[in-house]
Amino acid sequence: AQSVTQLDSHVSVSEGTPVLLRCNYSSSYSPSLFWYVQHPNKGLQLLLKYTSAATLVKGINGFEAEFKKSETSFHLTKPSAHMSDAAEYFCVVSVPGGSYIPTFGRGTSLIVHP
Amino acid sequence: EAGVAQSPRYKIIEKRQSVAFWCNPISGHATLYWYQQILGQGPKLLIQFQNNGVVDDSQLPKDRFSAERLKGVDSTLKIQPAKLEDSAVYLCASRSAGGADTQYFGPGTRLTVL
Repeated sequence: AQSVTQLDSHVSVSEGTPVLLRCNYSSSYSPSLFWYVQHPNKGLQLLLKYTSAATLVKGINGFEAEFKKSETSFHLTKPSAHMSDAAEYFCVVSVPGGSYIPTFGRGTSLIVHP
Repeated sequence: EAGVAQSPRYKIIEKRQSVAFWCNPISGHATLYWYQQILGQGPKLLIQFQNNGVVDDSQLPKDRFSAERLKGVDSTLKIQPAKLEDSAVYLCASRSAGGADTQYFGPGTRLTVL
């Protein structure tokens, strides 16, 4: 069985300050982990993914995430927030190969203040 | 490369009516997913196809929902009859069978049941 927990439903930051969105996972096997972003009335867009290569993963728009097996975490970070980063962010876990049935977290709404 | 196409983008119906959604995945993608995303929640997987066969439909309410993927390309999702609680965004995603597990999402269909 697999599950994912996004620890914050809302995160509020000021423009230019760091962003941290937290995600913990549970998986019986080595997982693949993803972060997706969803802007209002838009489809889900892949930010980055971890698939058992380097533990520090760099994605689009300056985001990165670090896979920490000992902490079962895959937190998303960005050094400096932009207004355009305001959106809903989803952490996703899956066991790779075969049927690949992904499990989504509940989402974290990122609010960026000017 | 063209993305995942969905239609219609918006649909408003009365309860007990029927509705159908259409999805055209990325060309060559063997795996297709339908998700239901209720406001304020993460996407919930309804059904997963591999070519034209069903891999997982454990969370599909089969008394009212049905889906098919004829010829292993386009797919339709139908609700008959609709209930108020079916109001949600219905997302379609596709994945290449040989890909590194990345799903590509369509823009979604927003259903409102009155």
